[in-house]
Amino acid sequence: NAGVTQTPKFRVLKTGQSMTLLCAQDMNHEYMYWYRQDPGMGLRLIHYSVGEGTTAKGEVPDGYNVSRLKKQNFLLGLESAAPSQTSVYFCASTTTGINEQFFGPGTRLTVL
Amino acid sequence: GENVEQHPSTLSVQEGDSAVIKCTYSDSASNYFPWYKQELGKRPQLIIDIRSNVGEKKDQRIAVTLNKTAKHFSLHITETQPEDSAVYFCAADFSSYKLIFGSGTRLLVRP
Repeated sequence: NAGVTQTPKFRVLKTGQSMTLLCAQDMNHEYMYWYRQDPGMGLRLIHYSVGEGTTAKGEVPDGYNVSRLKKQNFLLGLESAAPSQTSVYFCASTTTGINEQFFGPGTRLTVL
Repeated sequence: GENVEQHPSTLSVQEGDSAVIKCTYSDSASNYFPWYKQELGKRPQLIIDIRSNVGEKKDQRIAVTLNKTAKHFSLHITETQPEDSAVYFCAADFSSYKLIFGSGTRLLVRP
């Protein structure tokens, strides 16, 4: 049981490049989340999903897109990366009746 | 709007002393309040949580108190140890299963 995994662990992009971050969970959780963590600003919710095929905007959705085609996967896309998107990205999941969010190990993204 | 404020941003205590971190939230409908601990380079992990029908909850050296009327809740760590050094985040739910986090408190426990 791997829990929540994220791919890749590290990535360096040039301004304007695109990429997709993958989050996978093997706990059959309905709810999945993408956060970004910047120094002094805590964890800010980018997008989230309450079930397969559904997505919703969080606090800071601009510049990101997401998809939840399969229940176990939640993808975060950057269409045209900007230096302001340099951050550590965490994925999390939970299920009905638990409330605790289980976090992945994070992806450190640098945009030059 | 949906907001959680957390104070202080940094806290330094002597080993054995107590530490208190405070949070306020904006939505009176919130009813779930977790606290997460994040060690350097690691993922956040839940350490304790409380629901709105409870005023206080304890788990060994950590406790959380909630004042629904004032819309604030606090984390208390007693007999602090060096391994308590980490960043602590509070959060509140703003709809079913959606959390908004505070900005974090960096706790340093000096040996």
